[in-house]
Amino acid sequence: ETGVTQSPTHLIKTRGQQVTLRCSSQSGHNTVSWYQQALGQGPQFIFQYYREEENGRGNFPPRFSGLQFPNYSSELNVNALELDDSALYLCASSQRQGDWLETQYFGPGTRLLVL
Amino acid sequence: AQSVSQHNHHVILSEAASLELGCNYSYGGTVNLFWYVQYPGQHLQLLLKYFSGDPLVKGIKGFEAEFIKSKFSFNLRKPSVQWSDTAEYFCAVMIGGATNKLIFGTGTLLAVQP
Repeated sequence: ETGVTQSPTHLIKTRGQQVTLRCSSQSGHNTVSWYQQALGQGPQFIFQYYREEENGRGNFPPRFSGLQFPNYSSELNVNALELDDSALYLCASSQRQGDWLETQYFGPGTRLLVL
Repeated sequence: AQSVSQHNHHVILSEAASLELGCNYSYGGTVNLFWYVQYPGQHLQLLLKYFSGDPLVKGIKGFEAEFIKSKFSFNLRKPSVQWSDTAEYFCAVMIGGATNKLIFGTGTLLAVQP
């Protein structure tokens, strides 16, 4: 176990709705990255949070947003859900030291189904 | 754009067979390299990593990988697979910069027959 937890484990929503996913990072880690893993694909980077600020974003529209809290836990919010948002959403916890991010440890993911 | 290619999408082996999974990346600068594994019903776990030093790295469960900089490759190997190695394997590259995001390949689904 990595010590990274995510909630909920599964979620079903309909198109146009909004969803919030949560992640608790491993103790001692100050950085949280979010990834989307569609069926049959590798995880795709959504964005990263470091010291409560967004620190890089992948090729995802603004309706994907996030937060990081003082205890380094994080939320991923998706507005105006589309069918293609159906995927496994992964949170990765790591420690940033110097110029590089140390190894990222993944949570179990939240599986989102949009109908 | 940076990318990671995994050449084998599905691999079926018998127990005790040797395994080699290919991984190539496209990026000319400094990289850190990873192999992650996802066992059925479990979360993504780190198998091994390369940051610097000896290009032959050893991971958990008898896996190893070799970084060949000139070939932009980081192939995963195991001399003798077991049924319990059945899983999906992902190669990932971390490039330098402010974010150090991971760029994943599409994964290789390995099925080991007893």
